[in-house]
Formats: sequence, C-alpha cells, structure tokens
Amino acid sequence: AAGVIQSPRHLIKEKRETATLKCYPIPRHDTVYWYQQGPGQDPQFLISFYEKMQSDKGSIPDRFSAQQFSDYHSELNMSSLELGDSALYFCASSFLAEAFFGQGTRLTVV
Amino acid sequence: DQQVKQNSPSLSVQEGRISILNCDYTNSMFDYFLWYKKYPAEGPTFLISISSIKDKNEDGRFTVFLNKSAKHLSLHIVPSQPGDSAVYFCAAKSGIIQGAQKLVFGQGTRLTINP
Repeated sequence: AAGVIQSPRHLIKEKRETATLKCYPIPRHDTVYWYQQGPGQDPQFLISFYEKMQSDKGSIPDRFSAQQFSDYHSELNMSSLELGDSALYFCASSFLAEAFFGQGTRLTVV
Repeated sequence: DQQVKQNSPSLSVQEGRISILNCDYTNSMFDYFLWYKKYPAEGPTFLISISSIKDKNEDGRFTVFLNKSAKHLSLHIVPSQPGDSAVYFCAAKSGIIQGAQKLVFGQGTRLTINP
C-alpha cells in the first residue's frame, strides 16, 4: 500500500540558508500535518492543511512557511536556518481519524 | 502545558509477559486517541486507536483501554515480543471529522523487551 513519502530523507544546510521539505500524502488523503522532533523530545506540531487550506497552526516560527498544493502534496519552507532547527521533520496525512506518518526528513544545520 | 502525558519514560518487560503503557490527558475535549510505535530515525507507525464512545479496542496482541472519567488510557501488549522494543507515543485529538484538530503527542515511553 502507498505510504506518505517525504523528501529528502536527509538534508544538511548551513546557518542562514533556506531549506524546502516535501511531503506526498497517501492518495485520497486530504489532510496533511507537519511535526518537528528535536533530540530527546516528543513530536511538536507545526502546521496542518485540509483541502489545501491551512487548518491549524502550532509552534511554527515565522521563518517557516508551508502550503498544500492542488495535488495535495505539501512543502515546508524554512528560511534563515538556525542551529536549533536541526531536527527530524515528520509529515503525516489522514482522511478520517487516523494519521499516517512518513519516514521523516532529518535536517542538520551546521 | 502538556495536555497528553506519558509519565514513564521507560519500561522493561520480559518476553512473553504483558506490557502496559499508560497515558493521561487533561483536555476533556479530546475524543479520539491513538497509539504510535516509533523506531529511531523512522516515522511513527500507527498501531491502534479508540474513540471516546468506547472503553476498549482490541487488535491482535494490542488492546487499548480508555477511562474517560480518569482521563486515562493504556495500551496492553500481550504477549510481548522482542520486536516490540521501541518508543511508544500516545496521541489525542478533538473531533474526528476531516480537517479537524491536530494530534497532540505525549512524551513517549521507551519499551524494552528482554529475552
């Protein structure tokens, strides 16, 4: 069965650079969630989209933006990267109640 | 404000025995609860869920119990197997309709199954 696809799996960026993370949800899923998990921390909600509209917003820095496109894939854009942005970024998609996660993108800011 | 709490950071269980992972929540608006299993550097894998209209849901070796009055849920794994060793996250949300609220996660419990 198709799963949530995230790309890239690994990304290394320098401070103050920009990164774009992509998420391809399970077909027919209309909701996408983005989470950030720092070392030793539980996943923290960043932002979600339903039917291409932002539906909820969590602790997402102003330097980050995201959108969901007409084909339902989503992109998380991160600018002016800081060392503290180094984390695992997970995307999840859902149609009804259960959310299914991708494998994550490990972002390392050096 | 931690709305979903897993107070045991780790749990060690002998293979074949029962593993019981606990989760407490504070937000009475939560009406749907999920358990995820996570291996290092991988995305969380959905295990089992329960709606607030139920008090028990079973799927193979996994059973989730919900006590709404105590705002407590637990995941039972019987019998425990070495492959169950992972971090388990409890998550909750309010509203199960599409596009509804975000999933709120607990801190996770690291389960280790000893041979």
